[in-house]
Amino acid sequence: DGGITQSPKYLFRKEGQNVTLSCEQNLNHDAMYWYRQDPGQGLRLIYYSQIVNDFQKGDIAEGYSVSREKKESFPLTVTSAQKNPTAFYLCASSTSGQGWQETQYFGPGTRLLVL
Amino acid sequence: RKEVEQDPGPFNVPEGATVAFNCTYSNSASQSFFWYRQDCRKEPKLLMSVYSSGNEDGRFTAQLNRASQYISLLIRDSKLSDSATYLCVVIEWGNFNKFYFGSGTKLNVKP
Repeated sequence: DGGITQSPKYLFRKEGQNVTLSCEQNLNHDAMYWYRQDPGQGLRLIYYSQIVNDFQKGDIAEGYSVSREKKESFPLTVTSAQKNPTAFYLCASSTSGQGWQETQYFGPGTRLLVL
Repeated sequence: RKEVEQDPGPFNVPEGATVAFNCTYSNSASQSFFWYRQDCRKEPKLLMSVYSSGNEDGRFTAQLNRASQYISLLIRDSKLSDSATYLCVVIEWGNFNKFYFGSGTKLNVKP
């Protein structure tokens, strides 16, 4: 089955701790994205990557870091610099990031809670 | 001003009702439009594209009004299973397409 997987489903972070959220896709998509969703709010873009070994900051990149060493994988690290990390984190992918029929497909998400 | 705005609702309707949502966007250069559905505590899932001439998929009809810069979603014969939050998405094409998500409109279909 083709799709996007995220792990873990729930993640608990202690103060001062860095945590990494996993995102893997087997759709052969070039473009991948990370979003944050807070209750009652829309999706906010954290980082995106159009191609392997390249990524760009989105609207709320402070306190987060990413890597794109493989086409299939786009992990997100929430660093201790992110002071309010409690949220629902969604990973998405799309074919190329360009073109008129381009749309995004989402993984099941990771809920991050601060202890 | 937000790029994309939606009435958050909730829209509470009985089964079998027809309900419509609008979504306004601020950039006239926006070029592609979609509706997504998001169930509680789940990821958004693509519901349908929105074409300039309007398009229908079963009980769902999507329309685009470029002059007034809004898109709409009409659901006929509402089912309990239609209860969800509906997100509109507006895309600006470029070297890398920019996606703008609305905050969503919540629909509750009651028996």
